[in-house]
Amino acid sequence: DIQLTQSPSFLSASVGDRVTITCRASQGISSYLAWYQQKPGKAPKLLIYAASTLQSGVPSRFSGSGSGTEFTLTISSLQPEDFATYYCQQRNSYPITFGQGTRLEIK
Amino acid sequence: EVQLVESGGGLVQPGGSLRLSCAASGFTFSSYSMNWVRQAPGKGLEWVSYISSSSSTIYYADSVKGRFTISRDNAKNSLYLQMNSLRAEDTAVYYCARDLMVRGPYNWFDPWGQGTLVTVSS
Repeated sequence: DIQLTQSPSFLSASVGDRVTITCRASQGISSYLAWYQQKPGKAPKLLIYAASTLQSGVPSRFSGSGSGTEFTLTISSLQPEDFATYYCQQRNSYPITFGQGTRLEIK
Repeated sequence: EVQLVESGGGLVQPGGSLRLSCAASGFTFSSYSMNWVRQAPGKGLEWVSYISSSSSTIYYADSVKGRFTISRDNAKNSLYLQMNSLRAEDTAVYYCARDLMVRGPYNWFDPWGQGTLVTVSS
């Protein structure tokens, strides 16, 4: 199985900050990586797929990059609604796997 | 509006069975592959199972293989998860999630349902 390791697991930041979350895969997964945002009590929401394609309706302050084994999600200027938990997910091979999550909190 | 609505969750004893349903609306259900994803309380996301649009291809996570069965009824726009021999570690919110695009699998999950809670406890 492909393991995804996110760093950091917890991040404290302020509105307006630029933040980056990293996802490392245990083996190469080309660009077969997505990022999701989840708020408490809600279902996850797809932000980015194929490593860097912004899902329709997602603000342009979100961006993704990377390929192979290292990927990043960047939020260019944090907004109050961005404080949530973020997960990466690979679809290179079954079983589909998720990272452990990065909890982004207000400083 | 594209919508997925899960139902069928509840409290069940260890060793028991439960059948989850996911009702789809607002899109051509028969054109999309579907998945079940679960989330234990306070934990991360775990993929459970995949079914292709025609039901010809099915995959399971090792943790549920042999105990869970995914199925769909395209005429009823519905997805199902039959869960047998339930264990305490199956306690979770179960989400159904659609593939992002037709003629997949792409296995980018969007949208998701609101989830249904399954609690396995005596």
